[in-house]
Amino acid sequence: DTGVSQNPRHKITKRGQNVTFRCDPISEHNRLYWYRQTLGQGPEFLTYFQNEAQLEKSRLLSDRFSAERPKGSFSTLEIQRTEQGDSAMYLCASSFPGTYNEQYFGPGTRLTVT
Amino acid sequence: AQRVTQPEKLLSVFKGAPVELKCNYSYSGSPELFWYVQYSRQRLQLLLRHISRESIKGFTADLNKGETSFHLKKPFAQEEDSAMYYCALKTNAGNMLTFGGGTRLMVKP
Repeated sequence: DTGVSQNPRHKITKRGQNVTFRCDPISEHNRLYWYRQTLGQGPEFLTYFQNEAQLEKSRLLSDRFSAERPKGSFSTLEIQRTEQGDSAMYLCASSFPGTYNEQYFGPGTRLTVT
Repeated sequence: AQRVTQPEKLLSVFKGAPVELKCNYSYSGSPELFWYVQYSRQRLQLLLRHISRESIKGFTADLNKGETSFHLKKPFAQEEDSAMYYCALKTNAGNMLTFGGGTRLMVKP
């Protein structure tokens, strides 16, 4: 296990199409987070899972966004009817509720909507 | 709502010079503050957290609740310190991190 992995690393799609991203957390981590980062900005929180339960959702997560973590392991983030404003880096992080609950980040999926 | 501000987008210093990356926050409760770093072509990684009061790679940061600041400091910058630095805050009400906009540190030879 070399850390949090995300697939695909890059995705180019046309406006109006649906896209799905996958995140595989570190195996013993039961907490999983999604963030979005646009150019020149810091990451912004989207949503958080503890095991399979989605416990927090940002107001940034519009109705076109949905995230799942069906078995408490990997997670998917789907964006329906993509818009140009969805172009960003989508980051996944995972953590284990230990001493500091440190979040370990994946490499991200860069989405470009044309 | 909580907010993190990093006033400098870019900080350029010469090798061996002192470095201070500024971070200010707004939050009415007791926050946990972190510094994350992203080196070129690498993923975001934790540099240090205020609660452990540690020094990592020569960097230190002190939480000043009166000034609501958590500035990152290093007495002598090295070229390998060149990276993007993000200050982040975690509230006691949830597990999400709120990030600042980041500061790019460039250490010139």
